[in-house]
Amino acid sequence: QVQLVESGGGVVQPGRSLRLSCEASGFTLGSYGLHWVRQAPGKGLEWVAVIWYVGSNTYYADSVKGRFSISRDNSKNTAYLQMNSLRAEDTAIYHCARGQSNYQSGDYYYFMDVWGKGTAVTVSS
Amino acid sequence: SSELTQDPAVSVALGQTVRITCQGDSLRRYYASWYQQKPGQAPVLVIFGKNNRPSGVPDRFSGSSSGDTTSLTITGAQAEDEADYYCNSRDNRGNHPFGGGTKLTVL
Repeated sequence: QVQLVESGGGVVQPGRSLRLSCEASGFTLGSYGLHWVRQAPGKGLEWVAVIWYVGSNTYYADSVKGRFSISRDNSKNTAYLQMNSLRAEDTAIYHCARGQSNYQSGDYYYFMDVWGKGTAVTVSS
Repeated sequence: SSELTQDPAVSVALGQTVRITCQGDSLRRYYASWYQQKPGQAPVLVIFGKNNRPSGVPDRFSGSSSGDTTSLTITGAQAEDEADYYCNSRDNRGNHPFGGGTKLTVL
């Protein structure tokens, strides 16, 4: 069964760090991209970061650039999101999602086809 | 620009057709993908690429695009389609921002 399971969430004080994990099963994580997407309480989806399978290229939303770092360990079929200098506005449910890309009719397209249920992060003193 | 714009809310009568739109400069270069999210659940991919549906998504869901606008159409909306819908697309910086989301109410 293809699935992603997040872990590592919790309550943390502002300015502290937290590392989230995303374990894949049923497929080889290293053959796909992996996104982190978060959702603050009562708000919409916010894309956070992605790591691609080609060259392990990484990209970050402006709101987390310089504070968050995405990585993966293919031997463990697991991806991570290291979150430093946490702020109250980072409070959210964090989902990981499998990323794919393709080319059709002259245009590229990207999508996230497998999602984890999420792990909750609360930043509060 | 990496911003994607969606109408905050749309309603449709049961069995009727509804179109949810998403606008942004990046859509001129990259196809969008669409996600359905029900309360307390993870998002689910419903449309990707030019007009592709993952296995298990009903064929009443379809996608189209023109210029800087992409649309998700539900033909014959059902009560279970009531949800939040989000578009997503890559931008020129390699980021993948979401639209603000559209809350669909089925009357």
